[in-house]
Amino acid sequence: ETGVTQTPRHLVMGMTNKKSLKCEQHLGHNAMYWYKQSAKKPLELMFVYNFKEQTENNSVPSRFSPECPNSSHLFLHLHTLQPEDSALYLCASSQGWDSSGNTIYFGEGSWLTVV
Amino acid sequence: KQEVTQIPAALSVPEGENLVLNCSFTDSAIYNLQWFRQDPGKGLTSLLLIQSSQREQTSGRLNASLDKSSGRSTLYIAASQPGDSATYLCAVTTSGTYKYIFGTGTRLKVLA
Repeated sequence: ETGVTQTPRHLVMGMTNKKSLKCEQHLGHNAMYWYKQSAKKPLELMFVYNFKEQTENNSVPSRFSPECPNSSHLFLHLHTLQPEDSALYLCASSQGWDSSGNTIYFGEGSWLTVV
Repeated sequence: KQEVTQIPAALSVPEGENLVLNCSFTDSAIYNLQWFRQDPGKGLTSLLLIQSSQREQTSGRLNASLDKSSGRSTLYIAASQPGDSATYLCAVTTSGTYKYIFGTGTRLKVLA
């Protein structure tokens, strides 16, 4: 039980499909994040939401669209993806955006394959 | 631009051995550094967080040190066990936020 739950765990989609990844945190945190982890590359921060407001968009292509309806839920809407977008997408949460003394908690990730 | 490097990329050791994982970063003006563990196909678990004013942190058999001036951190694992097998990631932030820059990790295998 990590406190951060991601669904689905595995997703295969065609380049013309529209799908969504869901993340839910049960820790009472205020900040939530999407990270991308590709093979042989470092983890990349994609988006940050603090108190439901987007505070960071790390030059992510518009085919990735985040949504944060409340502090407990975070979505990543996917459309017209490319094969190079295949990766492990990790959601995380923390008490605040300030990392001082706070631990960040990660979900187990959603494996995305674009065919 | 901050870059984080972890050496070695992979490591195999027999059970019971003490080992050191290395992390280096190019910009010494960091706010804090964290070590994470990632099991295959899973998310990350935070192991140790070192603030820029600290030189080391300990948790059980783990000890992490930080030398900001030289841009280095080490993670020391004492008396390694097969359950320690995982990928270990180092990450730094220069802004006091969770905008971490990650290394590519060291994949550790402890042989029984």
